[in-house]
Parts: sequence; C-alpha cells; structure tokens
Amino acid sequence: DVKVTQSSRYLVKRTGEKVFLECVQDMDHENMFWYRQDPGLGLRLIYFSYDVKMKEKGDIPEGYSVSREKKERFSLILESASTNQTSMYLCASSSAAGGGISNQPQHFGDGTRLSIL
Amino acid sequence: AQRVTQPEKLLSVFKGAPVELKCNYSYSGSPELFWYVQYSRQRLQLLLRHISRESIKGFTADLNKGETSFHLKKPFAQEEDSAMYYCALGQGGSEKLVFGKGTKLTVNP
Repeated sequence: DVKVTQSSRYLVKRTGEKVFLECVQDMDHENMFWYRQDPGLGLRLIYFSYDVKMKEKGDIPEGYSVSREKKERFSLILESASTNQTSMYLCASSSAAGGGISNQPQHFGDGTRLSIL
Repeated sequence: AQRVTQPEKLLSVFKGAPVELKCNYSYSGSPELFWYVQYSRQRLQLLLRHISRESIKGFTADLNKGETSFHLKKPFAQEEDSAMYYCALGQGGSEKLVFGKGTKLTVNP
C-alpha cells in the first residue's frame, strides 16, 4: 500500500517566519504534488514535481517554493509566512503516466494543518 | 480552460435513499475522471475512476461525454457514506488533476 507521510499534522508559526513542510513517499513515484485545501475552495495545486529537481507551478504558487532533491521527498517552503497562508496542506504522489493512461491516481498524505499567527 | 463543477456544496439524504453527486467538466480533449472521498479525520483517497468502470462501496459513475458529466450514484445510501466528495479531471499530456470544490454528503439515520 502506498504511504505518503507528511512530517507534521499540526503546525503553528508566526508571520514572517520561513516554514518548511515535508512530505515523503515510499512507492518510488515519479510525481509529487502540494495542494491547499480550504473550505468552499476545494483543492488547489500549489506546485508539482515530475522528477528530481524538476518542478512546475500550479494554480497558486505565489508565496511558496518547493524542493525535490531526492525522489521520495518533496518539500514545500513558505518563504515569509503570512496569515492568509493559514490552511490545510496536502501532499500527494502518483506514478508516471503509461499504458495509454495520462493520469495515474494520486495518493494523499494525512495533511498538515498550518496556522500562521 | 479546464474546469470541474460540483454544483452542490452540501447534500443531505436519509439512509436507504438514492444519492447522486453531480460533476460536470469542461475540457476539449479526452478526459480522465476520478472521484475522491475524504471521510472525517481520514486522508483523501481514490473512490473510483471512469476507466475502471467498477463499483466501489456500491457507488458507480458513468462518463457522459455528450453532457460532459461524471455523476456519482448509489442506489441506497448508508450512514458511513457521509463524507466530502471531490470530482477530479485529468488532462491528456499533463499529469496534474483539476479538482472540483467538493460536495459534503450527509446521510441521516
């Protein structure tokens, strides 16, 4: 069974701090994703990585950056945290497309509920 | 632009009643569609995908390309079906998914 592990379940930080959210997957998946989940807004993609050191902006990348130095680990960085970044953050992974299928199912972590004070 | 619309934020039914969660999509290519579910205090997980054409936990969903819909249905709802449901669209050539805003289903006893 695929395991996607997010380092913290709950996190409280202060405005202006640099915040790191970590995600590790154990299924050798090529793709990894970071989403925000907000009530009434659903899931919005922040960043996507399809390979080590490769990244692609999602729909709401402003104020965030990512790092993928190893295949199994994908980090989300809030460069200078602000109160409007208080949210639930979800990490997901999927295997690469193949066999005529463009989108493999994504497997999610438990989420990190981040509060910025 | 690719878009997924789930018109109902909230849906409430009684146990044993049929339930239908609506999903419409906007995409000019050949879509790949998914339903994800999040039970209370659990992680988001795949419920079903259209290419599998299978029934999971009694739920089915049929892709209707003419109506650009992928509605999720179950003939007899159970209390344990209460959860948040998200419809998601995969786009050929990209491995990203576009998610709808979700529908919170409550099944009352």
